Amino acid sequence: TQLLEQSPQFLSIQEGENLTVYCNSSSVFSSLQWYRQEPGEGPVLLVTVVTGGEVKKLKRLTFQFGDARKDSSLHITAAQPGDTGLYLCAGAGGGKLIFGQGTELSVKP
Amino acid sequence: NAGVTQTPKFQVLKTGQSMTLQCAQDMNHNSMYWYRQDPGMGLRLIYYSASEGTTDKGEVPNGYNVSRLNKREFSLRLESAAPSQTSVYFCASSGERQGAGEQFFGPGTRLTVL
Repeated sequence: TQLLEQSPQFLSIQEGENLTVYCNSSSVFSSLQWYRQEPGEGPVLLVTVVTGGEVKKLKRLTFQFGDARKDSSLHITAAQPGDTGLYLCAGAGGGKLIFGQGTELSVKP
Repeated sequence: NAGVTQTPKFQVLKTGQSMTLQCAQDMNHNSMYWYRQDPGMGLRLIYYSASEGTTDKGEVPNGYNVSRLNKREFSLRLESAAPSQTSVYFCASSGERQGAGEQFFGPGTRLTVL
């Protein structure tokens, strides 16, 4: 069974701080996706990383896929209250996505 | 385009009652999925359909059945609801057959089983 361990589960920080969320597995994935979910809504895709070692930037968000395609990280620079939400990583394999447990981020002004 | 729509948005059931959650997508996607979301457990796949006419079990299929009615619609049925099925249910669709593409999610159905 493929599993994705996401850490930390909860993160509460002040506006302007930096943070990193980790997504780790013992399995290799063909690609890894990061989603963001706001309360009362479904998740929305932020980025997909496909190649081992790949780094993608989305404004203040930096996503990295591990060289062995087993892990990934999301780094947010100078967090803002609008970044508050649930961040989910998901690995693709076997025709479906395997989701991590999620990281609940709260950014206080 | 509405994307992925789900009905109902909220539902309260008594133990043993049955109900069907409806999902429809207007993006001409081949693949559709049903997930449940519980606190601290992320999204867990219940059933999926890689194409019209096919369905497969996911991680937590027990207590559920699905029907891929046509390319647009994928329904989830609880035959005899149990309190352990209290959860938020999400339907999703994808244009990719192999599950590697972006999944588009509906707004969710919040189900409480008493």
